[in-house]
This record gives sequence, C-alpha cells and structure tokens, in this order.
Amino acid sequence: DAGVIQSPRHEVTEMGQEVTLRCKPISGHDYLFWYRQTMMRGLELLIYFNNNVPIDDSGMPEDRFSAKMPNASFSTLKIQPSEPRDSAVYFCASSLNRGHEQYFGPGTRLTVT
Amino acid sequence: DQQVKQNSPSLSVQEGRISILNCDYTNSMFDYFLWYKKYPAEGPTFLISISSIKDKNEDGRFTVFLNKSAKHLSLHIVPSQPGDSAVYFCAASFLMNYGGSQGNLIFGKGTKLSVKP
Repeated sequence: DAGVIQSPRHEVTEMGQEVTLRCKPISGHDYLFWYRQTMMRGLELLIYFNNNVPIDDSGMPEDRFSAKMPNASFSTLKIQPSEPRDSAVYFCASSLNRGHEQYFGPGTRLTVT
Repeated sequence: DQQVKQNSPSLSVQEGRISILNCDYTNSMFDYFLWYKKYPAEGPTFLISISSIKDKNEDGRFTVFLNKSAKHLSLHIVPSQPGDSAVYFCAASFLMNYGGSQGNLIFGKGTKLSVKP
C-alpha cells in the first residue's frame, strides 16, 4: 500500500504565481481532506470531500484558494495568485469513513517569496 | 478560539520512564478523540483513539484516558523510548452529524516529546 501520495514535496515560487498541489488518496477511501500547517495556527482543515463532492470548504482562507476532486484517485489544491503568507506545509489526508483515523500524506512545503 | 488545546509545547523525559501528554477541549459535543504522532518531514500518523463512551483505551505501550467532566484527555507512553521522540497532536471529532461538521478533525497545536537515552 503506497499510502497517500502528494506532489511536489517542495515548491518555491514567486508572489503572484499560480501554485498547484496534487494528492492521490489511498484506494478505496471515500473522504479526502486538505490541511495547512503553520507555526501560528497549527494544523487547519481547508476543505474536505466525500465521494469526490466538496462537503465543507469553510476553512479555505480566500477566493485565491480552490480545490477540485475530478475522480476518486486525484485531487488538486490551487492557489492563484500566491502570496508570501501562503507559505506553509500543506497536507492531504484520506479516510474510509466519517473522517476518523485519517491517513496523511508527507506534505508539500510551499515557500512563496 | 481554540477548541482543542495542548498547553505544553514540549516535554522531555528519560528513556524507560512514563511520558504523559495532555489535551483539553472546550466543545462538549466532541465524542471521538484521536492522537497522532508526527516526525519531521513526514505527515502525521494515527496512533490511538477513544470514543466518548469509554474512559480508557490501551494499545501496547500507549494508553489514552478520557475525563469527560473535565473535558480532558491524556496520552500515556510506558515505557518511553527514544524512537517515541516526535510531535504529538491531539484531535477531536463528532461521531454523529453535528452542524454539518461530520468528518472534521479539530487538532491541537501539538506537543514535542523528547525521550533522552
């Protein structure tokens, strides 16, 4: 079992550029979550999907952030345009039911200069 | 306003001794609690969980205790090993649908545990 796969592992970009983070959940899991981790705010839930449908996006900070899940094996988190305050580690997680015992990917460390 | 609080940012213990990590929550509707462990440059990994109908759950060296009246839970690691050195996150959730928040995990900010040989 490959676990949750995220790419890229590291991303450095300039302010104003578009950034796309990718996630492949564990096969068979029907929930997918995007989190952001910062020193100030810890781990924050941005959005989650159930059966590819967005259920709660109240954690998405601004309209610059968008997430899609076109099929059960792929999701993207896009930031456009990116800003320095978006610098953080972004985690994707998946679970089999109701979000309990979520399995996390290794994260994408985003640096916006 | 933090709903899940881990008030100790760090904890240092000697190998072989007990590690006790604490977590407090404010929402009495939380009914499922989890502990995650995180090593540097890796994602959090699930460690142990407890439902609110229980007050204790044990898995090998790891035991979680839940005190609902105090809205407090703790993770005990006995005996502690150097490989346990990591950041430990407490998380809370709703087992039943509540305000559309089913599936959410609310995380504390973590406690960094250092186990010294």
